[in-house]
Order: sequence, then structure tokens, then C-alpha cells
Amino acid sequence: QVQLVQSGAEVQKPGSSVKVSCEASGYIFNNYAINWVRQAPGQRLEWMGGIVPIFHSPYYAQKFQGRLTVTSDESTSTAYMELSSLRPDDTAVYFCAKSVGTRGTAFEIWGQGTTVIVSS
Amino acid sequence: EIVLTQSPGTLSVSPGESATLSCSSSESIPFVYLAWYQQKLGQAPRLLISDAHKRVSGIPDRFSGSGSGTDFTLTISRLEPEDFAVYFCQHYGSPSLTFGGGTKVEIK
Repeated sequence: QVQLVQSGAEVQKPGSSVKVSCEASGYIFNNYAINWVRQAPGQRLEWMGGIVPIFHSPYYAQKFQGRLTVTSDESTSTAYMELSSLRPDDTAVYFCAKSVGTRGTAFEIWGQGTTVIVSS
Repeated sequence: EIVLTQSPGTLSVSPGESATLSCSSSESIPFVYLAWYQQKLGQAPRLLISDAHKRVSGIPDRFSGSGSGTDFTLTISRLEPEDFAVYFCQHYGSPSLTFGGGTKVEIK
């Protein structure tokens, strides 16, 4: 079946970077967008950016431009999200989500989430 | 950026009753690019409805979506115990995607 499996929880210091992976299986990885969404404690879901692997061109929410890097590795069907210059308010659960189609479609399958804690 | 406002924040409903959740957009959503998700505590969201009214395969028919323009509704009829959760709406048209703040449906 279609599933996304994310890497484990991270604890990082302010100013550092974190990289989260999302391994896909059960579908043709290249053809569908993978998006990254975060959920801070008590906050609404926040879309960060995404990539359609076959196009090799990531796209980002304006808020995260310059601090977020989304990549994909077709050989391992894995997407990555790297967030730099971490701040305590980046503490959140980070989800990857497969779109129904390419960019601009609903998110039909989600990873289990990765908790990232930013603390000195 | 489109802002989605959900109401009410919390809805108290008895099992077997119906629930009506609202999602209001700050501007008209083109092509009804509006989805509804269910999220239970400690879990990832689950897609219920896309394109405002298309129920995803495997989702019970007691879930229905409607609306267009700036006002959208998710109706859950005959609430089952597993339906008590938080529900989010989402606008997914390019270039930006946004989520509503959520409605918590709790047992009355």
C-alpha cells in the first residue's frame, strides 16, 4: 500500500539545522508532489513547501524562503526537508504528505510525523 | 494569501447526531480547491473530502462536503464514536496553500 515513513525525532540547538527524511513506497515516486507541513503545539497546520520529483524544482511558502531546502532522491524514493537557522518557535511536528497529483492538489497520504525540538 | 476561518472552534455533539462545520475564506477559492481533513490526537491528518465535495475512497458516506466561493461546509451525519476528532479545511491551489484553524468535535 502507499505509505510515507519519516525519520525519527530530533533535538537541535538554536541556530543549527535539521534534516528530515520521508521514504515513499507503493506508488511511482517521481510523478506526485511531496509536501512538507508542520504543526506547532496548539497551532494550525502550516504548509512549508514541496517538490514534484520528476521536475526537480522545489517550491516554498514565502515565510520559509531562504531557510528551507526541499530535495528528493528518486533512486531511493525519498524526499528531504532541511530547515536552517533554527529558532525555538520552530519546535513542531513536521509531516510529509503525498499529493493526489502534482503541485496544487490535496494531500492524500501523510507520513507519521517527526517531532523537532529546538532548545538550548 | 488566502486566510481560512473555521467555526465553531469546538462543537459538542452526542453520538448519532449530526455536526455541521464551517470554513470561510478571505477570498473566493478558484475551482473549489478546498479539502477537509480529520486529525486524531497524536496522528497525522487524514483526507476526507477534496474539491469541496468529492469524498475520498474509503470515507463513509456520512461525511459530505459542500460550498463554493468563500463559504464551505463539512457535514457529518449520524456521528460515530470514531468521528470525534479535529477537522481542518485546506485551500490547495497554487502558489500557496493554507489551512484553517480547525474545529474540534467532542462528545456531548
